[in-house]
Amino acid sequence: QKEVEQNSGPLSVPEGAIASLNCTYSDRGSQSFFWYRQYSGKSPELIMFIYSNGDKEDGRFTAQLNKASQYVSLLIRDSQPSDSATYLCAVNMDAGTALIFGKGTTLSVSS
Amino acid sequence: DARVTQTPRDKVTEMGQEVTMRCQPILGHNTVFWYRQTMMQGLELLAYFRNRAPLDDSGMPKDRFSAEMPDATLATLKIQPSEPRDSAVYFCASGLGDRDSDGYTFGSGTRLTVV
Repeated sequence: QKEVEQNSGPLSVPEGAIASLNCTYSDRGSQSFFWYRQYSGKSPELIMFIYSNGDKEDGRFTAQLNKASQYVSLLIRDSQPSDSATYLCAVNMDAGTALIFGKGTTLSVSS
Repeated sequence: DARVTQTPRDKVTEMGQEVTMRCQPILGHNTVFWYRQTMMQGLELLAYFRNRAPLDDSGMPKDRFSAEMPDATLATLKIQPSEPRDSAVYFCASGLGDRDSDGYTFGSGTRLTVV
C-alpha cells in the first residue's frame, strides 16, 4: 500500500516568515514528486514538481527532495496571507502514472 | 487559458438514483484521471485512462461505479445506485502521459450530495 503522509496542521505563520511543509512517502520506487495548492472550495493547482535529490527553487517556493530518507518538503519564503491554503504532496511511480496524494497540510498566514 | 471542464458543478440526488458526471479534458491531453475528495480520506484515485483505454480502476467500487471515455473529448463517471457514502467532490484531471513536469490539471469538480 503506497502511502504519502503529511501533518494535517494547521500550520500558522506570521506574514513575512518562512513556512515549512513536510511530506514522507512509503514506496522507495517513487519517481516524481509534486506540490499542489488547494484553496478552500477550489481545485488543486500545481505549484512545484521535483524528481531529483536536492533543492529546486521557483520564486518564493523551494522544494527539497531526499530520496534516501523518503522525504520531500516545501519552503515558502516571505509568506503572504494569500498563501493561506491546503498544500497537497503527491508522488507517482513513473511518468504519466496516477498521483498518490497525502491528505494535505493547512497553512494559515496571519497579517 | 486551457482548462478541464466538469459538469455538473453541484448535484443533489436521492439514494438509489443514477448519477453521471462528465469531464472534457484539455485538448491534446492523452491521460485522464478521476479522483474523489472527502475530508476523511483526502484525494483518492478512482480510475484513469491513457489514449481512452482504462489503465487502472482499482480504486472504484466496481458494483456501482463505472468510468468510460467514449471519445477523446469526453470522460464520464457513473454511479448506479448512489448511496449517501458517495457524497464527496469528484475531480477530473488531465495531462500528457510523458511529461510529469507539467503535472496534471484539475477541473473545478462536481460536488455530489446523496440524501
